[in-house]
Amino acid sequence: EVHLVESGGTLIQPGGSLRLSCAGSGFTVSSTYMSWVRQAPGKGPEWVSVIYSGGSTYYADSVKGRFTISRDNPKNTLYLQMSNLRPEDTAVYYCTREGQMGTIGPFGYWGQGTLVTVSS
Amino acid sequence: DIQMTQSPSSLSASVGDRVTITCRASQGIRNNFSWFQQKLGKAPKRLIYAASSLQSGVPSRFSGSGSGTDFTLTINGLQPEDFATYYCLQHNNYPWTFGQGTKVEIK
Repeated sequence: EVHLVESGGTLIQPGGSLRLSCAGSGFTVSSTYMSWVRQAPGKGPEWVSVIYSGGSTYYADSVKGRFTISRDNPKNTLYLQMSNLRPEDTAVYYCTREGQMGTIGPFGYWGQGTLVTVSS
Repeated sequence: DIQMTQSPSSLSASVGDRVTITCRASQGIRNNFSWFQQKLGKAPKRLIYAASSLQSGVPSRFSGSGSGTDFTLTINGLQPEDFATYYCLQHNNYPWTFGQGTKVEIK
């Protein structure tokens, strides 16, 4: 069974850096494409970044140049390195992966989310 | 960026009602489109992928249709557990974009 468990969210000051982790189980992180999605309080979800099995990465304009998505294959873990954080980055960050084999499209599986609060 | 416009933004319905939510893309996205349900304090859950395919484990009262720019989510026979917020998503072009959401409330 596929499980995604995020960690690393905390309260951090504007301009700070933070790394979120997402431990995968029941599948191999490097064999599929995985994304980060965030949701600010009271708002809808917002796609942040995706990494494909071949290593290609894409980012939302709002985080480009500040956030980096990566993975550690031996640890079967996905990361989101966030720098120069802004108050508008405050959100629950979800780790997601594409749907099960035989389906199409992203966000078929979600973690429970981790809260990042950017405030002084 | 492709804008996804959902309507209505909220609706009130009774158990057993048929509910229809629409989503319009600002340009054609083929069938690279999904519907999600989100309950308070939980992660979104994918209901429909490829515009009309039902995610495994999702009740058959949920159905999706459409292609190109106009899409519809229908709930036939609303159940108490269906009261939630629904979001559409396009993943045809980067950045992938969600609609603003439709909150389904109890009448």
